[in-house]
Amino acid sequence: EAEVAQSPRYKITEKSQAVAFWCDPISGHATLYWYRQILGQGPELLVQFQDESVVDDSQLPKDRFSAERLKGVDSTLKIQPAELGDSAMYLCASSLQPGDRGQEQYFGPGTRLTVT
Amino acid sequence: GNSVTQMEGPVTLSEEAFLTINCTYTATGYPSLFWYVQYPGEGLQLLLKATKADDKGSNKGFEATYRKETTSFHLEKGSVQVSDSAVYFCANGGATNKLIFGTGTLLAVQP
Repeated sequence: EAEVAQSPRYKITEKSQAVAFWCDPISGHATLYWYRQILGQGPELLVQFQDESVVDDSQLPKDRFSAERLKGVDSTLKIQPAELGDSAMYLCASSLQPGDRGQEQYFGPGTRLTVT
Repeated sequence: GNSVTQMEGPVTLSEEAFLTINCTYTATGYPSLFWYVQYPGEGLQLLLKATKADDKGSNKGFEATYRKETTSFHLEKGSVQVSDSAVYFCANGGATNKLIFGTGTLLAVQP
């Protein structure tokens, strides 16, 4: 069964350092999402891609976060510089197309980031 | 705007007990509604969904009915098992499938 792949699974970094996460969606899925899940809370959407274009980054802290999906397949989320408050689980999800009511998003296992 | 409020946990039940996890939503228009589940050490996965009023989503013995009059989508299961222990998230997909998640409810089922 196809799955969303993410790496690394765990990352520990010092504040002010740069950190990057990678996601490979299910083959053929045009839409890719990055979520942040703080411990004890539900996931919050950071950015949504349709193919290689950003369609929603309204909740992305653009002063330190960036995301790209250059060829419309895999994606990288970067934080520079990392802050203590960035400690969270970063989840990637994909779906066939956006906007269709009730369409399932498939989630990867996530990257657990700890900023010290 | 769109939001979702779900019952706080943890919920601790004995095996074979009846489960209800409450979820209510606010939305402009008629959103699609979801329950996702996160088992220990795993990613979120879709449990069930409903896209219009009075729809009932069901999967693995779990059910939830989209109630427009009470703006609710409560999750129920008649007889829980130890293997159902997980965190359950209610999500509001709005009209465009942009998911707004609740805070999650931890369910612990004891043998």
